[in-house]
Amino acid sequence: GAVVSQHPSRVICKSGTSVKIECRSLDFQATTMFWYRQFPKQSLMLMATSNEGSKATYEQGVEKDKFLINHASLTLSTLTVTSAHPEDSSFYICSARTSGARTDTQYFGPGTRLTVL
Amino acid sequence: GDSVTQMEGPVTLSEEAFLTINCTYTATGYPSLFWYVQYPGEGLQLLLKATKADDKGSNKGFEATYRKETTSFHLEKGSVQVSDSAVYFCATLSYNQGGKLIFGQGTELSVKP
Repeated sequence: GAVVSQHPSRVICKSGTSVKIECRSLDFQATTMFWYRQFPKQSLMLMATSNEGSKATYEQGVEKDKFLINHASLTLSTLTVTSAHPEDSSFYICSARTSGARTDTQYFGPGTRLTVL
Repeated sequence: GDSVTQMEGPVTLSEEAFLTINCTYTATGYPSLFWYVQYPGEGLQLLLKATKADDKGSNKGFEATYRKETTSFHLEKGSVQVSDSAVYFCATLSYNQGGKLIFGQGTELSVKP
């Protein structure tokens, strides 16, 4: 159980285009989803916390207008990188958690490799 | 704020060697502790967890014991395999930061045949 999927797994786009990444919890309802960014050989950097039906909470330094997050249902959250530029190239990983901050385990998706040319 | 410190990598071992990856944390209260593993090009997989002091998490031959007195959660395995080569992340759940996971910097393990 507790499977999280991401789509696409890999995307290459031209500079200036927008890219949407989907994160789905396949066998449980995720009231909270998290979006992370990971640079090569580094740890995960939390970008934002997404609660179903409400606005995402962004970490300091993350541009909310550039990284649009929508958590429209209990099994789906999307991250849209708007007007992508080469510096946005990275590995994006989502995670999902069931209800309550004290419900402790986050389950991670397999990640999406974004390359902006 | 809460933080996690792991031993630096890369760690290179021969097959069947004993593994220890040190992890210490600073946190208020009694946070849950986790080890996640990341294989090349993939997301993170939960390896094991412990939710209270003296709990031992175990999975796939890996173990870690929640030591509140030393604020540690060291990862151990008695005999590593080549397939254990990956990056290992220690993490604590920060209740005073809205339930965010606080990660260590990751430790790369390379096991040679």
